[in-house]
Amino acid sequence: DTGVSQDPRHKITKRGQNVTFRCDPISEHNRLYWYRQTLGQGPEFLTYFQNEAQLEKSRLLSDRFSAERPKGSFSTLEIQRTEQGDSAMYLCASTSVGTANNQPQHFGDGTRLSIL
Amino acid sequence: LAKTTQPISMDSYEGQEVNITCSHNNIATNDYITWYQQFPSQGPRFIIQGYKTKVTNEVASLFIPADRKSSTLSLPRVSLSDTAVYYCLVGDMLSGNQFYFGTGTSLTVIP
Repeated sequence: DTGVSQDPRHKITKRGQNVTFRCDPISEHNRLYWYRQTLGQGPEFLTYFQNEAQLEKSRLLSDRFSAERPKGSFSTLEIQRTEQGDSAMYLCASTSVGTANNQPQHFGDGTRLSIL
Repeated sequence: LAKTTQPISMDSYEGQEVNITCSHNNIATNDYITWYQQFPSQGPRFIIQGYKTKVTNEVASLFIPADRKSSTLSLPRVSLSDTAVYYCLVGDMLSGNQFYFGTGTSLTVIP
């Protein structure tokens, strides 16, 4: 168990550029979540995947945001035409969901995005 | 979507027991209660999870009354390294519903 890994840890970019983050969940975890966290606030849900299927998206996930989990393993979160308000920590979490368990989410250490 | 309410901040002296209470009045039948700890520039770390009564592990205890409308995280004999933000989370992983973190409780341990 190597934990949830996120890459890069920090990203600085100019307004209007596109950025992509990657999340590698704990192996064999079938559910993967993306959250956004701004300073002084708790993480806010963005979207989640069950295997490769994206099952729910928050209203926070505008049409500039897209997430994929093509093979049910790693996931990417892309932000197009970045804006100042996109500056935040983007967190990924994974868990294993079975038929009768309620396992907690395990988080990565996030990607901190700064928009210049 | 079960929302939670916690005190914004708490202070405690080193070596004291700290109890952080979370209110979740609209908790659903299948919801579990999970507590996380977060240090700056890190992701939240799982502390403890429960459904009812009391749960204890090597780092904390979780007390849940019969009506389940609140829960209390108990940290025994805190140290300076326990200074962090603590979040309670209520939800049913099996249904995959969204999870609401709230603003958490910022605990400061004083020497």
